Amino acid sequence: DGGITQSPKYLFRKEGQNVTLSCEQNLNHDAMYWYRQDPGQGLRLIYYSQIVNDFQKGDIAEGYSVSREKKESFPLTVTSAQKNPTAFYLCASSLYDRSNQPQHFGDGTRLSIL
Amino acid sequence: QKEVEQDPGPLSVPEGAIVSLNCTYSNSAFQYFMWYRQYSRKGPELLMYTYSSGNKEDGRFTAQVDKSSKYISLFIRDSQPSDSATYLCAMSYTGNQFYFGTGTSLTVIP
Repeated sequence: DGGITQSPKYLFRKEGQNVTLSCEQNLNHDAMYWYRQDPGQGLRLIYYSQIVNDFQKGDIAEGYSVSREKKESFPLTVTSAQKNPTAFYLCASSLYDRSNQPQHFGDGTRLSIL
Repeated sequence: QKEVEQDPGPLSVPEGAIVSLNCTYSNSAFQYFMWYRQYSRKGPELLMYTYSSGNKEDGRFTAQVDKSSKYISLFIRDSQPSDSATYLCAMSYTGNQFYFGTGTSLTVIP
C-alpha cells in the first residue's frame, strides 16, 4: 500500500546528542514536510522541501536540520542546539502542482529526553 | 491574531448525535480547506478536502465553507464511538504552505 513511513515510533535523546528521524514515502509525491506537534499548539512547520536537493525553513527551524537527497526520503535531525525537543514529530507529503493537493501524514515519532 | 482559530473543546456527545465542528480564519486568500481526524498517538488522516465555498458530502461527513464569513464547518451525522478523536482543520492558498487549527477533541459516548 502507498503511504508515509516514519521511524522509529519512539525515540529517546540524551543531553548533547543529535538524533535523526526517518521519513519515507512511496506516493511519488514531490513535496515533503516536517511538523512538530505540542499539546494545545497545533502543528508547527519545521522544514519543507518541494524538490530533491532543495528545502526551506519553516516557522521553527532553529535546532533542526534536513536533507533531501532522494524524492522518497526526507530525514530530520534534531540537534543538541534544540533545547526543548520533547514533542510528537509528523512528516507529511503532497503532490506539488497547480491544483494544490492536500497533505498526507505519517504516524509520527515521539521524541523524549532521557 | 492567529491565521486559523479552532475551539479545542473537549466536546462530548452521545452516540447517534449530530456533531458540528468549526474553524474561523482571518486570511481571505485561503481557497483550499481540509479536515483531518487524528487518533491518539497517530498521524492526522485526511477526511475532507474542498475548494472555495460550498458543501461537500462523503458518507456521514459534510464539509461546509462560507468564505464570506471566513468560517468552515464539519458535520458528522449518526456519530459513533469510533469517531472519538481530535479533528484538525487546515487551509491553504499556495501549493506549499498549510495553516492548521489547534484541533478539537471529540468523545462519542456509547
